[in-house]
Amino acid sequence: DAKTTQPTSMDCAEGRAANLPCNHSTISGNEYVYWYRQIHSQGPQYIIHGLKNNETNEMASLIITEDRKSSTLILPHATLRDTAVYYCIVRGISNTGKLIFGQGTTLQVKP
Amino acid sequence: DTEVTQTPKHLVMGMTNKKSLKCEQHMGHRAMYWYKQKAKKPPELMFVYSYEKLSINESVPSRFSPECPNSSLLNLHLHALQPEDSALYLCASSRRGQPNQPQHFGDGTRLSIL
Repeated sequence: DAKTTQPTSMDCAEGRAANLPCNHSTISGNEYVYWYRQIHSQGPQYIIHGLKNNETNEMASLIITEDRKSSTLILPHATLRDTAVYYCIVRGISNTGKLIFGQGTTLQVKP
Repeated sequence: DTEVTQTPKHLVMGMTNKKSLKCEQHMGHRAMYWYKQKAKKPPELMFVYSYEKLSINESVPSRFSPECPNSSLLNLHLHALQPEDSALYLCASSRRGQPNQPQHFGDGTRLSIL
């Protein structure tokens, strides 16, 4: 599976958009980009996933570049409750269902 | 709130004890997973069950014994654990094991080995 690279930490002001980048330069054509987050003392929470097209749901938007080598998770109006570790994961057919978590980005939303 | 329920939330056990962790989902999912998460580290896959059959064992020591008695339940039986096995144990499920189907996690069992 493709490896991902994320910044270790980021800050965001409450009410502003949080843009979390992820590099996955070795991604192959049949691999999906997934985003999860983990709030302290809870299990990972699924946010969104995509293959080629940009995706949006009630939580976030996922922007995937045309060459698919990077993506950005956008939380449109960050709140204090969005403070968490955000994991970008690439997942393909070859991994038979595995999610391989990297170190993630710790997002701190500040008042 | 999560739709994957794990019990107990906390467990303290001695190295000679036998205990079990339980995971339940009623979403009709046919793939279920156990992950282990050490403090300040990301989760790591332990086992995958697909249609109640073990499909992946990530070289987990035999003191961890998974069981999937039916499509809604997943157990992890623990015996003769070591202090280094103290961790958060997470259960997840997905509709099938396909890469385009998200896994949904419970909030875990925090295990401490004395």
